[in-house]
Formats: sequence, C-alpha cells, structure tokens
Amino acid sequence: AQKVTQAQTEISVVEKEDVTLDCVYETRDTTYYLFWYKQPPSGELVFLIRRNSFDEQNEISGRYSWNFQKSTSSFNFTITASQVVDSAVYFCALKGPPGGGNKLTFGTGTQLKVEL
Amino acid sequence: GAVVSQHPSWVICKSGTSVKIECRSLDFQATTMFWYRQFPKQSLMLMATSNEGSKATYEQGVEKDKFLINHASLTLSTLTVTSAHPEDSSFYICSSLGTSGAHEQYFGPGTRLTVT
Repeated sequence: AQKVTQAQTEISVVEKEDVTLDCVYETRDTTYYLFWYKQPPSGELVFLIRRNSFDEQNEISGRYSWNFQKSTSSFNFTITASQVVDSAVYFCALKGPPGGGNKLTFGTGTQLKVEL
Repeated sequence: GAVVSQHPSWVICKSGTSVKIECRSLDFQATTMFWYRQFPKQSLMLMATSNEGSKATYEQGVEKDKFLINHASLTLSTLTVTSAHPEDSSFYICSSLGTSGAHEQYFGPGTRLTVT
C-alpha cells in the first residue's frame, strides 16, 4: 500500500525566512511519481511539480526547490525568502506506475503561514 | 497546464434534495476524471474515478447510489449528491489528467456544498 506522511501540520514563519516542508513516502512500486500541490485559501489546488522515481535530480524554480532522496524516501520542498502570498496548505502526493489506475495518494497537508 | 472548471462554486440546499455538480475540462479532452471530497482542515479523499463512456469506479466506503457520477463526454463529468443530508456538506473537488499519458492531475476550483 502507498502512504504519504507530512509530519508538519502547521508552520509559521516571518516573511523572507526560508522554510522547508517535509514529505516522506512509502511504496513497493519501483516506478512511481511524486507531486506537490498548493491549496491557497480560495480552495483550488495548484500543481507545482512532478518528479519521477527514476529522476533524482533536484529542481529549482524561482524561490521554490525540491529535494528528492530515494534513499530516505523523502521529497522535501523548500521555499526561499518566503512571502505572504505563499501562505497556503501544501500537499505532497504519490502515484504508482502507469497502468495502475492513476490514483493519487495525498499526505495530510502542511499549513504554511507567512507573516509580515 | 490544463484548465478544469466546476459549477457551481458553492450551493446551499435543503435536506432531502439532490444537487448536481459539473466538472469540465476546458482546453483538452479528459478520458479520466476524479472526484474528491475534502472536510475542513483535512486532506483530499478520493471518492471515485470517472471514465468517459463507462461506469465510475468508487472507492471503498463511498455509496454509489448516493453519489451518482456520469461521464457522458470527453469534457464533462457530473456528480449528483442524491437525497442530501447535512453530513454531506463538504468541499467537492474534481480533477483530470491533463493529456493522454500525463501523470499530474489538474484540479477544478471546487464546489462547497452546504445542506441545511
């Protein structure tokens, strides 16, 4: 069975601080996909990134960066120089190999609050 | 990314009535759509997977006669909550795979249902 754990329920930071959101996953599949989604107060989930299990390269997109470590089954998300607009709930999710139904297994989410 | 719309964005109905929620893919054809339910401060719970032209696949514990799903075209899936009760009040979100072979799901803005 697949499982995604986001141990941090809520994080509060002051604007311009860096913050890392943790994600640990469990799967027996050798091919899988990891995702991060942002859910702002409006409710709509916004896709941020997908990472394939066979690609361990870390990725940077502006202030966002992701650290994928298969050895520790983690896919952590770092926001550099956080801004108030980053305040949202962030979900990490896992999907199995193609042909497996395309279901996403979500973590419980981390509420990020960025204050002035 | 792909655009998914939902209608209505919010609805209030009386106990015992039925409510239909529409999910549309605006700029692509969606052979597979997903319906989720989200309670306040909780993660997304997959209710069912909707495939165009065939019966939906419901997750364990989801009443298929209560939550009717119809995916009659490649751009539209509907969720009907029949004989709604206050415990059905929730945030309902649909999603779709972007294009054939895509792995990430794109989410609609959600529908907030309140049953009085």
